[in-house]
Amino acid sequence: KAGVTQTPRYLIKTRGQQVTLSCSPISGHRSVSWYQQTPGQGLQFLFEYFSETQRNKGNFPGRFSGRQFSNSRSEMNVSTLELGDSALYLCASSLAGRGNEKLFFGSGTQLSVL
Amino acid sequence: DAKTTQPTSMDCAEGRAANLPCNHSTISGNEYVYWYRQIHSQGPQYIIHGLKNNETNEMASLIITEDRKSSTLILPHATLRDTAVYYCIVLKTNQGGKLIFGQGTELSVKP
Repeated sequence: KAGVTQTPRYLIKTRGQQVTLSCSPISGHRSVSWYQQTPGQGLQFLFEYFSETQRNKGNFPGRFSGRQFSNSRSEMNVSTLELGDSALYLCASSLAGRGNEKLFFGSGTQLSVL
Repeated sequence: DAKTTQPTSMDCAEGRAANLPCNHSTISGNEYVYWYRQIHSQGPQYIIHGLKNNETNEMASLIITEDRKSSTLILPHATLRDTAVYYCIVLKTNQGGKLIFGQGTELSVKP
């Protein structure tokens, strides 16, 4: 069974641009969550989607948004990029996002904002 | 959400057991204890989780105290490949996709 796939692996953007990151969960998994990792703030939860609905949201500005499609694939978008958005963005999937399930993480997308 | 406290760093000799402690004194009855680890530049990897009872799998053992206020992750025979940051997380039943990561413990396994 294929793992969680994130594309692209690396991305370079300039301030003010927008970016879309993609995540394909493990087949059969319906919950997809996103995380941002920076050296200063560590790993921070962005949001979680289940059955195309946002179920949980972290403390990030509205420039960060996401969506989930009917095949459970998910995208996250960051508009009006700032230098501080440079980070490793990680996606994780689980069967239904219940508290007794393990999350499987992808390798992440490394975003650099210049 | 319950907070966790872990030592910032630990060393362990290769082949010896690594015992990583975690304090979660404000844990509530419906919260699981999870352990993940992250090897440099990779996504976090699930290790083990438990609610009340001790758990063991092919990677590690999880010992949870009777009052559930602390736990210990045990890697029975640490190898160099176990060098990573280890995160202890408590998680509500209805928030499985929302992991709140702390700073974790940086474990260095030395030859």
